[in-house]
Amino acid sequence: GIQVEQSPPDLILQEGANSTLRCNFSDSVNNLQWFHQNPWGQLINLFYIPSGTKQNGRLSATTVATERYSLLYISSSQTTDSGVYFCAVEGGSQGNLIFGKGTKLSVKP
Amino acid sequence: NAGVTQTPKFQVLKTGQSMTLQCAQDMNHNSMYWYRQDPGMGLRLIYYSASEGTTDKGEVPNGYNVSRLNKREFSLRLESAAPSQTSVYFCASSAQVRTEAFFGQGTRLTVV
Repeated sequence: GIQVEQSPPDLILQEGANSTLRCNFSDSVNNLQWFHQNPWGQLINLFYIPSGTKQNGRLSATTVATERYSLLYISSSQTTDSGVYFCAVEGGSQGNLIFGKGTKLSVKP
Repeated sequence: NAGVTQTPKFQVLKTGQSMTLQCAQDMNHNSMYWYRQDPGMGLRLIYYSASEGTTDKGEVPNGYNVSRLNKREFSLRLESAAPSQTSVYFCASSAQVRTEAFFGQGTRLTVV
């Protein structure tokens, strides 16, 4: 089945710093989403981005489907950005999402 | 706008007990899913329902059953809970298969 790899696994930032999270996937996909899991465990939709670039405030994402990767950019990080960021791609005939293992981000004040 | 609502949020069960996790969505979505999240494993699909009246197994279906009660509701049942089913369970829905998915708040289940 399709494999999803995220890097780095852990990231510690000082408040105000910028960061780039990467998601590589092993096969072509029609659906790619980025989620933020906050410290309370809630999964929050960030981007639905099977291809192209999108921006939402301090966050932006780019997916290059032909090269099988997606990037999530966080600018001017804040402590509230802390949590785990998941990339998920559509996998197989079931149409469900296959999740990477996440990047755990800690933003220090 | 509630989105996807799961109940309960927390539950402790003894080995062998049964329980049903409830999920309801108010977005008029056709497709619904149950995932479990274990430390270091990301989320894995248990069962899904592509549309009302259909259900199919996902990656880790053993020990679970589901019911798509109507278009809004999709329940997950543990008939005889085992410690290996200690996990956080998420329900999700999407307009169709292969479109953007939205998740509930999760149910933290502990089986002792």
